[in-house]
Amino acid sequence: AQTVTQSQPEMSVQEAETVTLSCTYDTSESDYYLFWYKQPPSRQMILVIRQEAYKQQNATENRFSVNFQKAAKSFSLKISDSQLGDAAMYFCAYRRRGAQKLVFGQGTRLTINP
Amino acid sequence: GAGVSQTPSNKVTEKGKYVELRCDPISGHTALYWYRQSLGQGPEFLIYFQGTGAADDSGLPNDRFFAVRPEGSVSTLKIQRTERGDSAVYLCASSPYDTYEQFFGPGTRLTVL
Repeated sequence: AQTVTQSQPEMSVQEAETVTLSCTYDTSESDYYLFWYKQPPSRQMILVIRQEAYKQQNATENRFSVNFQKAAKSFSLKISDSQLGDAAMYFCAYRRRGAQKLVFGQGTRLTINP
Repeated sequence: GAGVSQTPSNKVTEKGKYVELRCDPISGHTALYWYRQSLGQGPEFLIYFQGTGAADDSGLPNDRFFAVRPEGSVSTLKIQRTERGDSAVYLCASSPYDTYEQFFGPGTRLTVL
């Protein structure tokens, strides 16, 4: 079974600084998708960024970028120029190609210090 | 357009009672998912519908849990003989068929006393 591990229960960063959230996963599959979701106190999960495993180029979305290391099964999220609105729980998730269910990590609570 | 909506937002019930949680997906989305998120954890998959049928119910923890989607739109998650361990946030998501982004609702927080 696939598993996703986020080893940082909490992280904090100064406003305008850069922070990196870690995620590792375990799978025997070669074709899959990886995601980072943000969950603010409103509870609604919001997709931040996604990565297809077959793509070597790391995905970027404005201030958000990933470092995808397929051989190491590592998928970290870098947030640049942190803003107060970035404060939330962040979840790493995995989905095998052809399957529909997402497998989530335990989450990292990100605090932004003004 | 409107996003995924879930009702009620919060539900408090007593141990042993029956509860129903409702999910209204985004219009036109054929795929619908239920997840359960316990306190301090990531969401865990429960069941996936494609149209009216449950294509994957491997995440349902036991036979007290059941979900339906009779017309391929609204879905109801039903929990019989609730237990305190069922307390969690129940999240619903929907997606257009065969795409990889799931759009989540705000969840229903279920508390079993």
